[in-house]
Amino acid sequence: QQPVQSPQAVILREGEDAVINCSSSKALYSVHWYRQKHGEAPVFLMILLKGGEQKGHDKISASFNEKKQQSSLYLTASQLSYSGTYFCGTVGGATNKLIFGTGTLLAVQP
Amino acid sequence: NAGVTQTPKFQVLKTGQSMTLQCAQDMNHEYMSWYRQDPGMGLRLIHYSVGAGITDQGEVPNGYNVSRSTTEDFPLRLLSAAPSQTSVYFCASRIHVGGTEAFFGQGTRLTVV
Repeated sequence: QQPVQSPQAVILREGEDAVINCSSSKALYSVHWYRQKHGEAPVFLMILLKGGEQKGHDKISASFNEKKQQSSLYLTASQLSYSGTYFCGTVGGATNKLIFGTGTLLAVQP
Repeated sequence: NAGVTQTPKFQVLKTGQSMTLQCAQDMNHEYMSWYRQDPGMGLRLIHYSVGAGITDQGEVPNGYNVSRSTTEDFPLRLLSAAPSQTSVYFCASRIHVGGTEAFFGQGTRLTVV
């Protein structure tokens, strides 16, 4: 079952902040975040692990609430290069399947 | 390192034809998977493999077959193409634990007419 992302789309001006949320109905081991530019492959941003370890990106932060099976991605002081579609992916259970949400389209305008 | 290589990049098929999408990785990753991407649907898991000789179904496996005879290769077969299989297909690989990033190929854009 796909995790649910919100919002579906957001438009920002350069310098503004944004939060993207990801929610799952299953117990999670880890949450992944990726960004995809139009016509390109998804690119890794960050992983949050159960137990609090975080691996990822200098300019983007995220949180992971294990009890609620929720994660949020925080984009601060947005730049034009932040534009793209953001996907969360969740891993849980014995199979280690990485299941992605439906994506959040972020557009940063000058 | 080449990473994850997918071929072909573009393909047009007629309904009923069969074909194989190729995926190869040179990172010695155990875990490989195939996703399809359709507008508004995100990335949906078709099939995955946790190592040579082991495959399993994802969320949308119908109409597709996979095999994993080596660690490096994970081909996806369309048995009898249908217009509903028009999509962009991505292959991804990662180390077989949940806490490592996935590396994606550049994608195959498939159109079934």
